[in-house]
Amino acid sequence: GESVGLHLPTLSVQEGDNSIINCAYSNSASDYFIWYKQESGKGPQFIIDIRSNMDKRQGQRVTVLLNKTVKHLSLQIAATQPGDSAVYFCAENYADKLIFGTGTRLQVFP
Amino acid sequence: DVKVTQSSRYLVKRTGEKVFLECVQDMDHENMFWYRQDPGLGLRLIYFSYDVKMKEKGDIPEGYSVSREKKERFSLILESASTSQTSMYLCATTQGRNTEAFFGQGTRLTVV
Repeated sequence: GESVGLHLPTLSVQEGDNSIINCAYSNSASDYFIWYKQESGKGPQFIIDIRSNMDKRQGQRVTVLLNKTVKHLSLQIAATQPGDSAVYFCAENYADKLIFGTGTRLQVFP
Repeated sequence: DVKVTQSSRYLVKRTGEKVFLECVQDMDHENMFWYRQDPGLGLRLIYFSYDVKMKEKGDIPEGYSVSREKKERFSLILESASTSQTSMYLCATTQGRNTEAFFGQGTRLTVV
């Protein structure tokens, strides 16, 4: 999961396994959440979003789960592929600003 | 496709120089943002703008200013660059509230 500080948490998974990346967000009044993927040398790219009136949303190979009670967000990636290797950020929309977590590095090994 | 273009991929500047980072978007989005990204700290908001000639401070505005004279362009200005401002700078846009942000490719600034 994500944490504050200089060390970037890393999740290592085998190709074909499922990945779960976790995020604790800050503000209980946040009403919109996004997961981004950032590959080396590129800007963050949108993966999936969820509004606070939902607790689950599915995309292609990805699922986002929202637990407002404990202010927790997770991203599940099914059948992880080498191309999924990247840094993943969660973001919460609070007071019309997007606030980002510190990121989790996903490493996929054969 | 939304395109957010940052004028430079890499910049090297000297301490004390005035530095301009430019961001242009082509989708008529209302909102534009400048973030800096540092290892282990994620993306931190410097300034944002919801309209032309409008600006709001983000979480770390010190040492920076911005300009939005036209809707499509949002400039970040380092008045007197310092080595602590060596970082990756990312511009982003959104169409409205609770919509995804589209990012530029980033500008890696090194201040020596």
